[in-house]
Amino acid sequence: GQQVMQIPQYQHVQEGEDFTTYCNSSTTLSNIQWYKQRPGGHPVFLIQLVKSGEVKKQKRLTFQFGEAKKNSSLHITATQTTDVGTYFCAGLEPLGGATNKLIFGTGTLLAVQP
Amino acid sequence: EAQVTQNPRYLITVTGKKLTVTCSQNMNHEYMSWYRQDPGLGLRQIYYSMNVEVTDKGDVPEGYKVSRKEKRNFPLILESPSPNQTSLYFCASSLIPRGANVLTFGAGSRLTVL
Repeated sequence: GQQVMQIPQYQHVQEGEDFTTYCNSSTTLSNIQWYKQRPGGHPVFLIQLVKSGEVKKQKRLTFQFGEAKKNSSLHITATQTTDVGTYFCAGLEPLGGATNKLIFGTGTLLAVQP
Repeated sequence: EAQVTQNPRYLITVTGKKLTVTCSQNMNHEYMSWYRQDPGLGLRQIYYSMNVEVTDKGDVPEGYKVSRKEKRNFPLILESPSPNQTSLYFCASSLIPRGANVLTFGAGSRLTVL
């Protein structure tokens, strides 16, 4: 079935270093959402991208949606210990008519060493 | 406070002993869904409901049942739990069916089946 691949699975950085996680779909997506799950917590919505080539920023976080609407990335500049957690992308796949399916990526676990 | 409430948060049970994980939301959301989270596999959808009395299978429905008799409640039923159902379970809801809007997740229910 349809999959959304996310890489890397795990990333360990020193505090202050940058971090990027990538999300790839084999099919065109209607939109893509990003969620963050703190250790021991639940996924929390961060942002949604809808347009081809769209770029959005939230402070040190930059989100991009590819031109073909098949891939996305999340870049964190100058990581802080508060950035620790698992980042999930979730692609909305159109199935025809008004029907869509939200497919989660496998997630990237970010560890930040002070 | 707008939220999704799951109970129990933690449960240890034995093979074959029926159990129910409750989920309730106070946001008048139409769409509700259950996910399981396992290491390396991300969030996989078990069942979802687009409205009262409307439920459908997700990607991993085997061994689970659900019901949606009221808009606010969406319980997950394990009729005869097995060890491979040991997992972290999340209930989620959204205002617009099929995840076109963002998902609000519950705090999670960690289930261990011995």
